[in-house]
Amino acid sequence: EIVLTQSPGTLSLSPGERATLSCRASQSVPSSKLVWYQQKPDRAPRLLIFGASGRATGIPDRFSGSVSGTDFTLTITRLEPEDFAVYFCQQYGSSPYTFGQGTKLEIK
Amino acid sequence: EVRLVESGGGLVPPGRSLRLSCVASGFTFDDYGIHWVRQVPGKGLEWVSGITWNSGSIDYADSVKGRFTISRDNAKNALYLEMNSLRVEDTAFYYCAKDYGRRGSSFVGDYWGQGTLVTVSS
Repeated sequence: EIVLTQSPGTLSLSPGERATLSCRASQSVPSSKLVWYQQKPDRAPRLLIFGASGRATGIPDRFSGSVSGTDFTLTITRLEPEDFAVYFCQQYGSSPYTFGQGTKLEIK
Repeated sequence: EVRLVESGGGLVPPGRSLRLSCVASGFTFDDYGIHWVRQVPGKGLEWVSGITWNSGSIDYADSVKGRFTISRDNAKNALYLEMNSLRVEDTAFYYCAKDYGRRGSSFVGDYWGQGTLVTVSS
């Protein structure tokens, strides 16, 4: 199975700053089939990015995704207060569909 | 509005069974695959099982294979997860999630339910 490793575990930033979250796959993810979710406490995950770089419906353009080989990146420009949450990556290129362990984005 | 509502969670001793349900509305249910994903409170996400729009393809995580059975009733807009031989490590919130792709066969969860808590303990 494809193992996804997210870094850092916790990222402390201030509103208005830029956040860069990483997700590294243990092997090639077929067709860059990777998504990013945002999860807030006591809430279900919310789809942000699919296909490594496509924004889901209603997601602001300050969220963007990119890929280089087996390294996937979620970038949030100009952090808003509502962006502080936990972010998970997940690959859907091959079963079992695996998730990274998450990055907590907290207010500095 | 797309809605997914899980039910059936609760406290159960190890070795017993439980059946989860997920009722969907707001979209053409029989056009989309649906999946179960679980999460230990405060921890990460684990994909558990998925079923395609027509039940033609069903898949499980190794951790539940042979113990859990996923099924769906398109006439009732409902998804089920029959969980047998439950273990302490199955304790988690269980979410049902709709696949993004119409008649697709992978998993991009664009809509999720609120989750139902399963606690396996003696």
